[in-house]
Amino acid sequence: EDQVTQSPEALRLQEGESSSLNCSYTVSGLRGLFWYRQDPGKGPEFLFTLYSAGEEKEKERLKATLTKKESFLHITAPKPEDSATYLCAVQGYGGATNKLIFGTGTLLAVQP
Amino acid sequence: GAVVSQHPSWVICKSGTSVKIECRSLDFQATTMFWYRQFPKQSLMLMATSNEGSKATYEQGVEKDKFLINHASLTLSTLTVTSAHPEDSSFYICSARAQQGAVETQYFGPGTRLLVL
Repeated sequence: EDQVTQSPEALRLQEGESSSLNCSYTVSGLRGLFWYRQDPGKGPEFLFTLYSAGEEKEKERLKATLTKKESFLHITAPKPEDSATYLCAVQGYGGATNKLIFGTGTLLAVQP
Repeated sequence: GAVVSQHPSWVICKSGTSVKIECRSLDFQATTMFWYRQFPKQSLMLMATSNEGSKATYEQGVEKDKFLINHASLTLSTLTVTSAHPEDSSFYICSARAQQGAVETQYFGPGTRLLVL
């Protein structure tokens, strides 16, 4: 069964204090791994898609990496506006709809 | 980036009434749309997958007669919560799949908060 586990559940950082969020996954054939950001009371905002081990993508202070078992979302010198819940999801090749399997998210709080 | 809208953004209704939520992909066509439900401090729970022109596929435990889904066009899907009860109060989020060549990306709407009194 496809599964996604995110850690830590919550993370509190000081502004400028870099860190990483982890997404471990098991899937029967990875079609794609997705990172989203969700602010309170809003829908998830798409950040990145990664397709194969070794792939990396960057956007401003965020960098996502992928191995065969996990993905990391690195946050460099975070600012308070980076505070949000970060969701990881995988899409496998099994099933008719290829639906996304979500983790429970990491709640990030960046203090000024 | 691709934009998905939802309407209304919030709704309060009396128990027993029906509520319709619209989901539109504004700048792309979506053959597949998804409806999710999210409880406070929990992750997204997929309710159903809707394909344009065909019946929706519901996840296990989701009542298809209670949550009616219509995907009438490539840019519009609707979710109707029939005979709503307080336990149906939740945050409902739609998502539309955009395909660009071999790349598929799901974009989410801003969500609809439903409160049933």
